[in-house]
Amino acid sequence: QKEVEQNSGPLSVPEGAIASLNCTYSDRGSQSFFWYRQYSGKSPELIMSIYSNGDKEDGRFTAQLNKASQYVSLLIRDSQPSDSATYLCAVISSGSARQLTFGSGTQLTVLP
Amino acid sequence: DVKVTQSSRYLVKRTGEKVFLECVQDMDHENMFWYRQDPGLGLRLIYFSYDVKMKEKGDIPEGYSVSREKKERFSLILESASTNQTSMYLCASDQGRGEKLFFGSGTQLSVL
Repeated sequence: QKEVEQNSGPLSVPEGAIASLNCTYSDRGSQSFFWYRQYSGKSPELIMSIYSNGDKEDGRFTAQLNKASQYVSLLIRDSQPSDSATYLCAVISSGSARQLTFGSGTQLTVLP
Repeated sequence: DVKVTQSSRYLVKRTGEKVFLECVQDMDHENMFWYRQDPGLGLRLIYFSYDVKMKEKGDIPEGYSVSREKKERFSLILESASTNQTSMYLCASDQGRGEKLFFGSGTQLSVL
């Protein structure tokens, strides 16, 4: 079974701080990695994708990928209360084209 | 905007009933997916479809079937509902490699 693991949290950070969300995956052949955000009572939405080792920045969000360690992270700089949500890590594993495997999510609360 | 519409937001059924969950997307997407979301378990893929009349099993297909007679519509069927199928069911669509999923608003199904 291909697995995606996340710390369920909850994770609380003060407004303006950096929030760090982590994810590990079991399939070494995985090539595509994603972060979805899900507000309470809403559906998930894609916020970041990363395919190569290193960092990818989009505004206040940075995704980091280390394939050797099978580790993906999401950094949120200058966290805002509106960032409070559950963040889902998702992976397309080798041999599973078009099938996303999701982690259980990390609940983030940004305190004003 | 992409719209994925699920027929019911809340549904209450009895054990043993046959249950139909309907999903319609308006963006001519090829790929459609059914997930269930349970606390602590994240999103788990039940079935997906790449084309009309085509279906593939996901990670947890037992107790479910699907139908895709038209490109825009993907139905999830619980042949004989059981209490362990009480869950939030999310439909999603994607045009491409199954990475950027657009989700419907979900159906909270309770089986009594």
